[in-house]
Amino acid sequence: EPEVTQTPSHQVTQMGQEVILRCVPISNHLYFYWYRQILGQKVEFLVSFYNNEISEKSEIFDDQFSVERPDGSNFTLKIRSTKLEDSAMYFCASRGQGKAQYFGPGTRLTVT
Amino acid sequence: RKEVEQDPGPFNVPEGATVAFNCTYSNSASQSFFWYRQDCRKEPKLLMSVYSSGNEDGRFTAQLNRASQYISLLIRDSKLSDSATYLCVVNSGNQFYFGTGTSLTVIP
Repeated sequence: EPEVTQTPSHQVTQMGQEVILRCVPISNHLYFYWYRQILGQKVEFLVSFYNNEISEKSEIFDDQFSVERPDGSNFTLKIRSTKLEDSAMYFCASRGQGKAQYFGPGTRLTVT
Repeated sequence: RKEVEQDPGPFNVPEGATVAFNCTYSNSASQSFFWYRQDCRKEPKLLMSVYSSGNEDGRFTAQLNRASQYISLLIRDSKLSDSATYLCVVNSGNQFYFGTGTSLTVIP
């Protein structure tokens, strides 16, 4: 069964450093998403991406965040200058023509 | 006002019990509705989509009431493996809004 994959599973970085979180969506899916989940809190929408551009973003997705689909398979989330409060699980999700999304296993980001 | 509201629980039920979770949403223009389950420190996994006519998948039944902006999930004959957090998810445009989740523990 096809699945969304994410790397790394855990990333530790120092405050102010840049990180890139990587995702490989399901191959025939067209819509891609990033979410974050701070420990003990709900899943929060960050950004949706379709047809090589951002289709919607939340107020969390400020100028320190960017997304890219550099090739036909990868979908990346870059955080330019990490802050302590960026520590969270980051989930990538994708969907096809249907509305149901399928999530990757997540990257746990720890900012020290 | 929160986009999606759920009773956080926890619900502790014995094996074999029937348990129901509720969810309300604020945007009347919301288009699609889902229940996901999330195990501790894992990703959300799709449990089922929710349709206006109601739908059933084995022991799970989901209902949507658009007039009341209310979604429910019924689990019959609870199993130990049903222990998880159940997330109500509502789609509006290109955004998907998650509830805080309802925690279920099924006790032997």
